[in-house]
Amino acid sequence: DAKTTQPPSMDCAEGRAANLPCNHSTISGNEYVYWYRQIHSQGPQYIIHGLKNNETNEMASLIITEDRKSSTLILPHATLRDTAVYYCIVRPYSGAGSYQLTFGKGTKLSVIP
Amino acid sequence: GAVVSQHPSWVICKSGTSVKIECRSLDFQATTMFWYRQFPKQSLMLMATSNEGSKATYEQGVEKDKFLINHASLTLSTLTVTSAHPEDSSFYICSARPLAGGNHEQFFGPGTRLTVL
Repeated sequence: DAKTTQPPSMDCAEGRAANLPCNHSTISGNEYVYWYRQIHSQGPQYIIHGLKNNETNEMASLIITEDRKSSTLILPHATLRDTAVYYCIVRPYSGAGSYQLTFGKGTKLSVIP
Repeated sequence: GAVVSQHPSWVICKSGTSVKIECRSLDFQATTMFWYRQFPKQSLMLMATSNEGSKATYEQGVEKDKFLINHASLTLSTLTVTSAHPEDSSFYICSARPLAGGNHEQFFGPGTRLTVL
């Protein structure tokens, strides 16, 4: 079972920031937060991951709360090509289950012109 | 980033036939490959985990005799859907974990859409 909760859908105006929340209140100390997205009829694409510090890469920023029970993925300037289902996943860095990704239902982000 | 390919990208077959789907890591060696299934408007469900040279580990509820997995080399894993039936119609996606690299890395293929008539 997925250990995360996400809103089923969100809309965002093109050019604006998209903020996608994720609740992972039962996250363990050795578990990372990962974000993937899946554009329609394609395989998932890695976006970003983090443990407790905020992270930023060329695609997005990841803000993790201090208690690590929730996080927000930020797409700073959403484009139509960012329309996809976004999955927030927690998994341990090492040990049992560290290789598997358990996908929940994700958030369907629709970027509107 | 690393590239994972799947072949075919789509296939239509008659009920009762077997279908083989290939998953290849094109520019890296993969110790572990994963097979997922995704029904329309649903999330990805892990079917099995395969390690090169050893038997695959299947998730609960997945029939190992129906979904045959072979991970013969560090760059190729195959999934064979035996005696396919319409209920096996789905989007099958593989992913690969590099031999060299951190635990964070896992790359997905583009998926194979199977339609069983």
